[in-house]
Amino acid sequence: AQSVTQPDIHITVSEGASLELRCNYSYGATPYLFWYVQSPGQGLQLLLKYFSGDTLVQGIKGFEAEFKRSQSSFNLRKPSVHWSDAAEYFCAVGGLSGGYQKVTFGTGTKLQVIP
Amino acid sequence: DSGVTQTPKHLITATGQRVTLRCSPRSGDLSVYWYQQSLDQGLQFLIQYYNGEERAKGNILERFSAQQFPDLHSELNLSSLELGDSALYFCASSVGADSIYEQYFGPGTRLTVT
Repeated sequence: AQSVTQPDIHITVSEGASLELRCNYSYGATPYLFWYVQSPGQGLQLLLKYFSGDTLVQGIKGFEAEFKRSQSSFNLRKPSVHWSDAAEYFCAVGGLSGGYQKVTFGTGTKLQVIP
Repeated sequence: DSGVTQTPKHLITATGQRVTLRCSPRSGDLSVYWYQQSLDQGLQFLIQYYNGEERAKGNILERFSAQQFPDLHSELNLSSLELGDSALYFCASSVGADSIYEQYFGPGTRLTVT
């Protein structure tokens, strides 16, 4: 079975500071990995995804993530946070399960940005 | 704007009642997915329809059912509602049957059961 752990429920950073959101996954084979962002009152928007190849993935809004197989991690980073980045972030893992492609989401990390 | 629309935005109802949530996928998308997001369970996949047929089933309760109509819009029916059914219900859509990795999410319907 596939699973995702986001160990930080809530993170607060100052505007302009760097950000790293942690994500650990469990999946038997090479996983497909995703980061989504959910702003208040909005649906989930895909930030970036990893399928194969270069383990450093660039996404929208200046975000990047690095796949580390040895650590089963896919941490999301941004060098300088903007107030508009305040939102909830979800890591997800995709793979074959029960005969169909399935995506399993983590419980999310809520990001607060302070001036 | 993802192009996926959901109605209503908010719904307040009482225990034991039945409600219907509606989703219109992006133009050209044949798959519709339903998710439930609650505080204790996180985001859980409920069910997928592709071109009118059920394609995959997740953690959907027997009290819940869904269908996809010929015009590709989908409805999620929740019956005998309990307090624990209070949640955000998301719909997502994608082009193909196995293109869940390219899904686009709607803004959600917030259901409150009192």
